[in-house]
Amino acid sequence: SSELTQDPAVSVALGQTVRITCQGDSLRSYYGSWYQQKPGQAPVLVIYGKNDRPSGIPDRFSGSSSGDTTSLTITGAQAEDEADYYCNSRDSSGNLVVFGGGTKLTVL
Amino acid sequence: QVQLQQWGAGLLKPSETLSLTCAVYGESFSDYYWSWMRQPPGKGLEWIGEINHSGSTNYNPSHKSRVTISVDTSKNQFSLKLSSVTAADTAVYYCARTRLYYDSRGYHEFDYWGQGTLVTVSS
Repeated sequence: SSELTQDPAVSVALGQTVRITCQGDSLRSYYGSWYQQKPGQAPVLVIYGKNDRPSGIPDRFSGSSSGDTTSLTITGAQAEDEADYYCNSRDSSGNLVVFGGGTKLTVL
Repeated sequence: QVQLQQWGAGLLKPSETLSLTCAVYGESFSDYYWSWMRQPPGKGLEWIGEINHSGSTNYNPSHKSRVTISVDTSKNQFSLKLSSVTAADTAVYYCARTRLYYDSRGYHEFDYWGQGTLVTVSS
C-alpha cells in the first residue's frame, strides 16, 4: 500500500499532551518521520527513526511506533507548536515516497 | 551547515515546461538521495521524485510521464523539469535532502529543505 492516514485536525490545551497518529502498511517496514510546517514556511523535520530529534528540536517532541502506526507526541504543548504536521515514509516496495495528508494542530 | 537554495521561473503559461534547480552547499552529493516535493495552495505535501549522485531516479507514478530529475555533481546541483503544465501544477515546490538507510527496518527522512518556490500556471 502507498497511503498514510492522519486525522485532519487535533486540538490540545496549552501545556497539555497531544498525540498525532499516522497509519499505513508501509510503516511495518519503515520508520515514519514527522514534519512541522507553519504558514508560509518550509516543513521542518521534528522526529525521525525510532525516536530521534534533529538538533534544535525541543525535547517535548517524541515519537513512537507500533505495528502499522507511528505517533508524534508533544508533551506540554506550547503556543508555538500550533502548525500542520505531516508524517512521511517510503512505500512498502521502498521505491516510492508517501506523505500523510497532514494534521492541523490547534493549541487552545 | 547544509543549505539548499532553489530557483526557477515562478510564472508559466499552460503547456510550458516548469524548470527548477536546487544547489546544495556544505555537503557532498554522495550517500544521499535528493528530492522534489510540491504543495498546492491550501493542500498537503506531495512527493514528485528523487535522484542520487549517480543519477538513479524514482518518480511518483502520478507524474512520471512528465517529470525529469537530473543531477550535476560538478556543481552540486539537481534539477526538476515538469512538462506540459496546467493550472493543477500551481504549487510551492521544495527541494530536500533525503536520508535513506536500513537496519532491521528502513529509515527515511527529509532533513534539509530548500526555501520553496511558488510556481503559478496561468494563461
